[in-house]
Amino acid sequence: LAKTTQPISMDSYEGQEVNITCSHNNIATNDYITWYQQFPSQGPRFIIQGYKTKVTNEVASLFIPADRKSSTLSLPRVSLSDTAVYYCLVGDDGYNKLIFGAGTRLAVHP
Amino acid sequence: DTAVSQTPKYLVTQMGNDKSIKCEQNLGHDTMYWYKQDSKKFLKIMFSYNNKELIINETVPNRFSPKSPDKAHLNLHINSLELGDSAVYFCASSLPGGGNGAFFGQGTRLTVV
Repeated sequence: LAKTTQPISMDSYEGQEVNITCSHNNIATNDYITWYQQFPSQGPRFIIQGYKTKVTNEVASLFIPADRKSSTLSLPRVSLSDTAVYYCLVGDDGYNKLIFGAGTRLAVHP
Repeated sequence: DTAVSQTPKYLVTQMGNDKSIKCEQNLGHDTMYWYKQDSKKFLKIMFSYNNKELIINETVPNRFSPKSPDKAHLNLHINSLELGDSAVYFCASSLPGGGNGAFFGQGTRLTVV
């Protein structure tokens, strides 16, 4: 499974757009890119998944360049409630292990 | 209805005891997992089951024994508990391979004293 690298922490303010980039240089052809969000004392929550180009849902957008060696999770107009740890995962459609890295701790300030 | 439910939410027990954590999912998923999140907040997979069959065992001590009576349940039994077992344990379920994401339970905070 491809290893991922993310910033350890980020700070933002309410109303701003936040972009969290994940590096996955060894991504395989069959691998998908998935992002999860975890609040304190809760289990991770699926945010978005993509394979290439751009994916958007009601929560976030995921940008994946052509070489797929990185991806960017974009959170539009964050609020205090978006303060959480965000995990980038890369894996294929086999019996993947959902390997979690250290994640990015996002702090949104008033 | 809670998609993935774990019981109990909190568990405090003494070293050497045997305890179980139950997990049930009502999503009709074929694949279920157990994860351990330690004090440093790293989430590590322990087991993965698909249709009641063990798929992944990530070098977990054999004191930990998962049991899947049916594909909606994956219980975790822990024998001879040790201080280092203190952590939050998460159950999750997904479609095979985790496609379209996995659903996690609320976690069971195990404290061994």
